[in-house]
Amino acid sequence: LAKTTQPISMDSYEGQEVNITCSHNNIATNDYITWYQQFPSQGPRFIIQGYKTKVTNEVASLFIPADRKSSTLSLPRVSLSDTAVYYCLVGGGSNYQLIWGAGTKLIIKP
Amino acid sequence: KAGVTQTPRYLIKTRGQQVTLSCSPISGHRSVSWYQQTPGQGLQFLFEYFSETQRNKGNFPGRFSGRQFSNSRSEMNVSTLELGDSALYLCASSNIPGLEKNIQYFGAGTRLSVL
Repeated sequence: LAKTTQPISMDSYEGQEVNITCSHNNIATNDYITWYQQFPSQGPRFIIQGYKTKVTNEVASLFIPADRKSSTLSLPRVSLSDTAVYYCLVGGGSNYQLIWGAGTKLIIKP
Repeated sequence: KAGVTQTPRYLIKTRGQQVTLSCSPISGHRSVSWYQQTPGQGLQFLFEYFSETQRNKGNFPGRFSGRQFSNSRSEMNVSTLELGDSALYLCASSNIPGLEKNIQYFGAGTRLSVL
């Protein structure tokens, strides 16, 4: 089962680009990497998913190196409303067992 | 399209009681997963149901059980409640069987407090 490791917390300022890295050394061949955002007292919300190289959508980019042992979520020009906990999730492959990282608490300052 | 609905939003129970939580997935979604979230342990996977069958189960005691109905709605039950069961219980639904590209949509959760 893949295990993920993320920084416990990070802070940044409005308008900056924020990069959060997740380590998943034991990722399986058919595992995808998915990131979620969670605000207090709410369920996590899907942000982005990728398998390799780079994926970009309207809210974030996901960078995955060739060995896939890590991934980096990039949030461009953050605002105060981006203050949340961000989770890195690696799919359980054929076993389905979902492994969630401990999450990174991101605090954006004015 | 309505999102994932969990009821009730809040519950207060006492030790030894049992509780049933309900989850209505997004229309058309057939997979429902349950998670327990506590400040100290983060998100812990409880179990996942697809087409009324439990496909996988996390590392929780037998006091935690669940089921899924033919309309994909799901319930989870916790018997003989303990203080440590106080947590936010989250339900997530998805429409793709299998996990590799599975994107989960979460409800707002049920906050259970055991006194």
